[in-house]
Amino acid sequence: GENVEQHPSTLSVQEGDSAVIKCTYSDSASNYFPWYKQELGKRPQLIIDIRSNVGEKKDQRIAVTLNKTAKHFSLHITETQPEDSAVYFCAQRGGGNKLTFGTGTQLKVEL
Amino acid sequence: DVKVTQSSRYLVKRTGEKVFLECVQDMDHENMFWYRQDPGLGLRLIYFSYDVKMKEKGDIPEGYSVSREKKERFSLILESASTNQTSMYLCASSGQDAGVYGYTFGSGTRLTVV
Repeated sequence: GENVEQHPSTLSVQEGDSAVIKCTYSDSASNYFPWYKQELGKRPQLIIDIRSNVGEKKDQRIAVTLNKTAKHFSLHITETQPEDSAVYFCAQRGGGNKLTFGTGTQLKVEL
Repeated sequence: DVKVTQSSRYLVKRTGEKVFLECVQDMDHENMFWYRQDPGLGLRLIYFSYDVKMKEKGDIPEGYSVSREKKERFSLILESASTNQTSMYLCASSGQDAGVYGYTFGSGTRLTVV
């Protein structure tokens, strides 16, 4: 079945440092990999995504990389700011339009 | 501009009660989903629907059922609530291809079963 492993479960960085969250998936047919950010008490929101025909995608301070051979993808946040503090979820789309989510990473950006 | 609305933010129900969680989207999306969110377990798919009157089981359907009588509304039903169903429930919707704009989530319903 589809499975997504996400690490680390918690991550604490100093403001201005970079943060990296990694996910590994099992379904080699997966073709779409979104990342969601959930601030405390709020709904998850899509922040960036990547499709299987692309190796890297950037949007300002965030980037996602995909290694199809190794079946893993990562979220990179540079120059972290306090407002980046949130729970981040990776996901993969396998069959149909179902998304299977990772277990989440609590990112804390300290001043 | 709220696009996916869940009818209740907080609910407290008694063990054995039948519970209805309602979700409405105004984006004319074909696909709708119900997830539950628990600390350390992420978001787990309960049920989903690709069309009116259509439903499919997700990864953890036991103890739940769903109803989709209209395209914009997707209801989650707990037939007989139990304490292990205490959780945050998130509804989501997507267009025909979820790979275009991903999911839009509702704000969630925090259900406590006592």
